[in-house]
Amino acid sequence: AQTVTQSQPEMSVQEAETVTLSCTYDTSESNYYLFWYKQPPSRQMILVIRQEAYKQQNATENRFSVNFQKAAKSFSLKISDSQLGDTAMYFCAFMKPYSGNTPLVFGKGTRLSVIA
Amino acid sequence: NAGVTQTPKFQVLKTGQSMTLQCAQDMNHNSMYWYRQDPGMGLRLIYYSASEGTTDKGEVPNGYNVSRLNKREFSLRLESAAPSQTSVYFCASSGTSGRNTQYFGPGTRLTVL
Repeated sequence: AQTVTQSQPEMSVQEAETVTLSCTYDTSESNYYLFWYKQPPSRQMILVIRQEAYKQQNATENRFSVNFQKAAKSFSLKISDSQLGDTAMYFCAFMKPYSGNTPLVFGKGTRLSVIA
Repeated sequence: NAGVTQTPKFQVLKTGQSMTLQCAQDMNHNSMYWYRQDPGMGLRLIYYSASEGTTDKGEVPNGYNVSRLNKREFSLRLESAAPSQTSVYFCASSGTSGRNTQYFGPGTRLTVL
């Protein structure tokens, strides 16, 4: 079974600074998908970024980027120019190759606080 | 498009009561999922449905039943609620049109006294 580990339960960062959230996973699959979801106090789960394992290029979405190290099974999220609105729980998630019925496996989350 | 909708948003039950959580999506997705979120545990899969008419157990199915009523709707039923089922419940859906990404509803906060 796949597992996802987020080793940082809580983190804080000053506004406008850069922060990196860590995620490692365990799988025997060679192809898969990785995701970062954001959960603000509103409770809504919001997709931040996704990465296909067969792509070597790291995904980026505006201020959010990932460092995907397939051999090390590591998938960290970097947030640049942190904003107060980035304050949220962040979940790393793994998905096996899509076959129409592929659930996500989540890590336990990292609570990020952006300080003014 | 409303995306994924869930009702109710909040619910308080007494031990032994039953209730059904409703979920609907308007994205024409084939697959739908129910997760529960507990403090410090992340989200864990309860049940999922690959397509209309099929359902499968996830990691924590005990105490729950599901119904895939049609392509749009996927309901979760607690037959006899227990305090251990106090949690936040999320419904999600996915399909090939969304590049395999799962989209989540706003969640239901359930408290069982």
